[in-house]
Amino acid sequence: GQQVMQIPQYQHVQEGEDFTTYCNSSTTLSNIQWYKQRPGGHPVFLIQLVKSGEVKKQKRLTFQFGEAKKNSSLHITATQTTDVGTYFCAGSGGYNKLIFGAGTRLAVHP
Amino acid sequence: EPEVTQTPSHQVTQMGQEVILRCVPISNHLYFYWYRQILGQKVEFLVSFYNNEISEKSEIFDDQFSVERPDGSNFTLKIRSTKLEDSAMYFCASSSTVSNQPQHFGDGTRLSIL
Repeated sequence: GQQVMQIPQYQHVQEGEDFTTYCNSSTTLSNIQWYKQRPGGHPVFLIQLVKSGEVKKQKRLTFQFGEAKKNSSLHITATQTTDVGTYFCAGSGGYNKLIFGAGTRLAVHP
Repeated sequence: EPEVTQTPSHQVTQMGQEVILRCVPISNHLYFYWYRQILGQKVEFLVSFYNNEISEKSEIFDDQFSVERPDGSNFTLKIRSTKLEDSAMYFCASSSTVSNQPQHFGDGTRLSIL
């Protein structure tokens, strides 16, 4: 079945350093969504990418969708302690079914 | 901002017992979902529901699971005979009328099977 792989599993950074998480799908995706989950919280929608090669920015966050629509990345510039959490990519499959990656847990040390 | 609400926040149940998890999706949404997340693991799709019927379900969603929209606001997940491995956080989500829209998640119900 469709699989979404995400690396790295964990990332520890000093505050102010950059952070990137990568996502790869076993199949071409119609779209990819990114969610953030704070410890003890629920997934919160960040963004959706639909077009091949699409790049979207939200303040310090930059999201990319690969040309083949099988990979994606999230880059955070100059991390802050408020960025702490687990970042999940989720590929869309079927009737809005989301296939989540394993997530990247980000720890930011002040 | 409208939100998905789930009750209870924590449910403790003896193995073999039935459990019903409740969700109130965002009012104008038509697509509903259940996901589960075992502690420390990724979010896993269970089932999607549209127009009063199941649209898609995963291999996790076996005969022990069922979903229902008993009235115009609630969306429930029932586990008939719980097993230890059903212990997880269960998230309800909903999305708007147009397909492939972002999904809005509730705070989840933590299910603990003893």
